[in-house]
Amino acid sequence: GAVVSQHPSRVICKSGTSVKIECRSLDFQATTMFWYRQFPKKSLMLMATSNEGSKATYEQGVEKDKFLINHASLTLSTLTVTSAHPEDSSFYICSARDLAGEAHEQYFGPGTRLTVT
Amino acid sequence: KNEVEQSPQNLTAQEGEFITINCSYSVGISALHWLQQHPGGGIVSLFMLSSGKKKHGRLIATINIQEKHSSLHITASHPRDSAVYICAVTGAGSYQLTFGKGTKLSVIP
Repeated sequence: GAVVSQHPSRVICKSGTSVKIECRSLDFQATTMFWYRQFPKKSLMLMATSNEGSKATYEQGVEKDKFLINHASLTLSTLTVTSAHPEDSSFYICSARDLAGEAHEQYFGPGTRLTVT
Repeated sequence: KNEVEQSPQNLTAQEGEFITINCSYSVGISALHWLQQHPGGGIVSLFMLSSGKKKHGRLIATINIQEKHSSLHITASHPRDSAVYICAVTGAGSYQLTFGKGTKLSVIP
């Protein structure tokens, strides 16, 4: 089946630094990728929709200057958390739509746990 | 906006029991997804449904479009089935998912 990877799986950074998280579709092309955030014991919250070759669409309340998204190729989207603060600590998950697959099928990455100290 | 409700929120079962998790939604959809999230955090897509029924191993998912309801069944449950099961829907004309709050399943040996 389709595989989505995320790197890193865990990252600890100091307050004020920036962290980049990568989401890759390993065996398919993805024109659209989604970035989610999950707080402990809560459901996933959509942050933004990433479209290859164009600007990401951010959900209401998500700061686009803080959470920079780049989708430069059909297999890679990156989320950069800029000037991270402890409240940005969370579990970040991406998903990707297979360009050649069923219309509503999405494949999820394993997630990245970010801790900001 | 679609409201997705799952029940129960928490479920404890003995190994071997038949398990049912329910999901209802408020507005017509293009597809409904059942997802599994283990304690480590990664999410696995179990099923995507737009009608009828799908079966994969011990897992069965059904959907009733008219009643806006879906069920996930697990036959002969096993401790390794312990996870959070999440129902999510995509609305007409959209690929964005709206998630339920999840059902935490614990299967005891």
